[in-house]
Amino acid sequence: NAGVTQTPKFQVLKTGQSMTLQCAQDMNHEYMSWYRQDPGMGLRLIHYSVGAGITDQGEVPNGYNVSRSTTEDFPLRLLSAAPSQTSVYFCASSYGLQETQYFGPGTRLLVL
Amino acid sequence: GQQLNQSPQSMFIQEGEDVSMNCTSSSIFNTWLWYKQEPGEGPVLLIALYKAGELTSNGRLTAQFGITRKDSFLNISASIPSDVGIYFCAGLPAGTYKYIFGTGTRLKVLA
Repeated sequence: NAGVTQTPKFQVLKTGQSMTLQCAQDMNHEYMSWYRQDPGMGLRLIHYSVGAGITDQGEVPNGYNVSRSTTEDFPLRLLSAAPSQTSVYFCASSYGLQETQYFGPGTRLLVL
Repeated sequence: GQQLNQSPQSMFIQEGEDVSMNCTSSSIFNTWLWYKQEPGEGPVLLIALYKAGELTSNGRLTAQFGITRKDSFLNISASIPSDVGIYFCAGLPAGTYKYIFGTGTRLKVLA
């Protein structure tokens, strides 16, 4: 198993550009989530999904969209990037809500 | 929104010393998780706790789910240089699907 994979590893965007951060897992996990990590802030939940076709907002959803068309993939879309979205983004997955969450290696995003 | 208070923010200790850190919340949690993160990596789960009062060990690490369900503790015994990293608690508030993370405890071990 590859576990949780994220692409790209690094990205630089200009303000107003759009992009999609990819997340995939090959463990047949139902629960997937996106977090952002900023210095001194810990990890904050952006969006999560409890299964294919089901998504919901986390703590900091503004400026981000998600979809879950398959169990394996959970992409995060930035429609119009802003400097405040400069952060490290982590995707995580687990079998169920109270099961162990496995994290991907992260995507480091810089918005100029 | 709900918050987790994690303390201390950072610790500098000598190799061989024991370490304690804790997280407290303003609401009741159903699950407590403890993670370790090293530079450039995603968090890695150390210990998961599912019941109030539960005490679980993983090698030199021991964590407890507080009986009030509003706190959790992580202890590391006989620290070694590879324990260096940032330790995060995470909790699942009762009645929600959203995990909340603490702000982390940065641990440095001096040989």
